[in-house]
Amino acid sequence: DAKTTQPNSMESNEEEPVHLPCNHSTISGTDYIHWYRQLPSQGPEYVIHGLTSNVNNRMASLAIAEDRKSSTLILHRATLRDAAVYYCILRDGGTSYGKLTFGQGTILTVHP
Amino acid sequence: SQTIHQWPATLVQPVGSPLSLECTVEGTSNPNLYWYRQAAGRGLQLLFYSVGIGQISSEVPQNLSASRPQDRQFILSSKKLLLSDSGFYLCAWSARLGNTEAFFGQGTRLTVV
Repeated sequence: DAKTTQPNSMESNEEEPVHLPCNHSTISGTDYIHWYRQLPSQGPEYVIHGLTSNVNNRMASLAIAEDRKSSTLILHRATLRDAAVYYCILRDGGTSYGKLTFGQGTILTVHP
Repeated sequence: SQTIHQWPATLVQPVGSPLSLECTVEGTSNPNLYWYRQAAGRGLQLLFYSVGIGQISSEVPQNLSASRPQDRQFILSSKKLLLSDSGFYLCAWSARLGNTEAFFGQGTRLTVV
């Protein structure tokens, strides 16, 4: 499975934008970039995913580098409820397996 | 809409006892199903995944097994629990292709004593 690299932790202030980076230099052409987040004692929650183009939804934006070797999850205005572990994952869109393999993720702390 | 049910929410079991965790999905057909374990302060480790009834792939050799007796039912089992089996167990489902998101259950916190 292609691997992703994320910073162990990041901090932000409430109502400020947050840019969470992810490196995936070995990404293949059929890999989709997925982001999930996990609040304490809960299962992960889907945030956003994309293939080549930047994506926006109600939760966040995903900016994908032109060479697809890195991406950035953007939370436009962080709230205290956004404090969580954020996982960047590559998932093969070309097979019926579509395994979802998690790394260690980035612990996001949001200060009031 | 699709929902995923996982139970029990918490479980305390003695070493050497058997284990059975069940996960069911509603509102979809032919899902991919996954079992994960998360040790305290660690990331999620994929244990098993299944693309169909009776089709189980094991990611990590260990004291656990999985079965899929029905399309939307996934069971995690152990004949004899070890202390190291303690952790947070999560079931998840997704549509077949990788360009769709996965949905997770609320998890079972297992403590082996």
